[in-house]
Amino acid sequence: DQQVKQNSPSLSVQEGRISILNCDYTNSMFDYFLWYKKYPAEGPTFLISISSIKDKNEDGRFTVFLNKSAKHLSLHIVPSQPGDSAVYFCAASVGEKLTFGTGTRLTIIP
Amino acid sequence: DADVTQTPRNRITKTGKRIMLECSQTKGHDRMYWYRQDPGLGLRLIYYSFDVKDINKGEISDGYSVSRQAQAKFSLSLESAIPNQTALYFCATSDHMNTEAFFGQGTRLTVV
Repeated sequence: DQQVKQNSPSLSVQEGRISILNCDYTNSMFDYFLWYKKYPAEGPTFLISISSIKDKNEDGRFTVFLNKSAKHLSLHIVPSQPGDSAVYFCAASVGEKLTFGTGTRLTIIP
Repeated sequence: DADVTQTPRNRITKTGKRIMLECSQTKGHDRMYWYRQDPGLGLRLIYYSFDVKDINKGEISDGYSVSRQAQAKFSLSLESAIPNQTALYFCATSDHMNTEAFFGQGTRLTVV
């Protein structure tokens, strides 16, 4: 039972445009959400997070939006740059357990 | 030097063999984790440890065991490897689940 879902395995976006990565979850008890970025042959690296008491968190070009009623999380990257090409994982936690989504491969087209 | 170091980086082993994957960290974190990544399944938690005397099963612990030898070291063992344990394994550390976790570069394990 996949509690955190990333329904788009891949996404291609032109350089300079906005990239929007989506994530849906089923467990209403999740109270913290994170995004990780992964390059080939490297481990995931933390990107941005949001608490369930907020609906938006921004860090430079990256913004995470949380819609609790829809159980939906999204990551916006604007403007997209070639170095943003990577696999992005969303993750959600309740208590001490972190559950990851399946990942979305983002490709930025120059 | 990397904050989280995994050894080996790649390993091919035969079915039935015992294998140990090692992880060491210089972050000074108490919490350490082992995950595996499979295509289409994301990262799944195998075991986690909050301190040297604390070991907890994750969602897919069957067929695995762990040892927390010190605050900085957390090893994962496959007592009798099987082909469906072929995967990419990641070790991670954090000072709390809801804060940034630092991952190692991964160990690619192939069981033939």
